Amino acid sequence: NAGVTQTPKFQVLKTGQSMTLQCAQDMNHNSMYWYRQDPGMGLRLIYYSASEGTTDKGEVPNGYNVSRLNKREFSLRLESAAPSQTSVYFCASSEISDEREFFGPGTRLTVL
Amino acid sequence: LAKTTQPISMDSYEGQEVNITCSHNNIATNDYITWYQQFPSQGPRFIIQGYKTKVTNEVASLFIPADRKSSTLSLPRVSLSDTAVYYCLVGYEMGGGGNKLTFGTGTQLKVEL
Repeated sequence: NAGVTQTPKFQVLKTGQSMTLQCAQDMNHNSMYWYRQDPGMGLRLIYYSASEGTTDKGEVPNGYNVSRLNKREFSLRLESAAPSQTSVYFCASSEISDEREFFGPGTRLTVL
Repeated sequence: LAKTTQPISMDSYEGQEVNITCSHNNIATNDYITWYQQFPSQGPRFIIQGYKTKVTNEVASLFIPADRKSSTLSLPRVSLSDTAVYYCLVGYEMGGGGNKLTFGTGTQLKVEL
């Protein structure tokens, strides 16, 4: 099992460009999450999907949109990238109501 | 959500036992205590979870006193590869059936020779 996979691993954008971060899990988990981690800080929840067909805002949703494409895949879209969105983005998955989340390797995004 | 307080950093040497204590004074009755480990350039990894007394697995032990207002993660005989950030999380906020974990800044453990 690959666990949680994320693409791309690295990305550089110019201010105003858009892009979609992809995430997939093969553990048949119901819940999936997107976090961002800024240097020297803990993770902050952007959006999450408790189950297929549902999405909810986390702590820092502004500037992002998500799509739960199916049970396996959860994508994060930046419509108009800003330098403040420079960060490392982690996707995670878990069973519903289980604090044991499994994280992907992350996407390092730089917005110039 | 119970707020957690843990040291910002700790230093140790190879072969020593390391104990990281987390305070969570307003832990709720139903809250579990969960610890994650994060290596540089990787996502966090679940290492241990407990509710009360002591829990041990192949990676660590978790000690929780009777009042549950604190917990201690114990790493036996650390090695250089245990250098990482360790996060203590308590409970989670329910939202539409999903978790909303709150990660603090964690404890940066540095292990030296």
